[in-house]
Amino acid sequence: DAGVIQSPRHEVTEMGQEVTLRCKPISGHNSLFWYRQTMMRGLELLIYFNNNVPIDDSGMPEDRFSAKMPNASFSTLKIQPSEPRDSAVYFCASSPGGNIQYFGAGTRLSVL
Amino acid sequence: QKEVEQDPGPLSVPEGAIVSLNCTYSNSAFQYFMWYRQYSRKGPELLMYTYSSGNKEDGRFTAQVDKSSKYISLFIRDSQPSDSATYLCALCSNAGNNRKLIWGLGTSLAVNP
Repeated sequence: DAGVIQSPRHEVTEMGQEVTLRCKPISGHNSLFWYRQTMMRGLELLIYFNNNVPIDDSGMPEDRFSAKMPNASFSTLKIQPSEPRDSAVYFCASSPGGNIQYFGAGTRLSVL
Repeated sequence: QKEVEQDPGPLSVPEGAIVSLNCTYSNSAFQYFMWYRQYSRKGPELLMYTYSSGNKEDGRFTAQVDKSSKYISLFIRDSQPSDSATYLCALCSNAGNNRKLIWGLGTSLAVNP
């Protein structure tokens, strides 16, 4: 299995631009998680889906962030408009059930 | 007070040393305890998984949970330069089928040859 696939690996954009991060979970996994990682705050859960349905989005910072999971094999995290404080590494993880999560390699976002 | 506390380090040890990494937590509802390893510019990967109290050993790695003290540990024996990474603890209560993991900040470890 190819594991969780995230794209792009790196994104550099200017403040105010829209950013879309993409994730393909491991086939057969029914839960998907979006995280943000920074040195100061560590790993923060933004939102998670179970069977394509958003279960908990309490970690989404504000209305500028949105996430979708149109089917079991694809999810997006969108930031519009982006701000410099959004600069971080964004991870997607999937789980077949239970507590173990499998992470992608992450997207390193820089907002100038 | 954070739900999970973990000393970020950095921790630097010579090759062959025994390493002890720790987390403390405040919520007694946590029942599942995990250690993830994260290499630079990579995603976290599961290293050890423990349910409730006790010890679990896997090769050079031992995970220990003391629920009475709300304290979990990861021991690495005969540490190798390839163990250099950030180690994150993650805890879960599973209350109401909640899949959320509560994460420590991670401890950065460098094993010097």
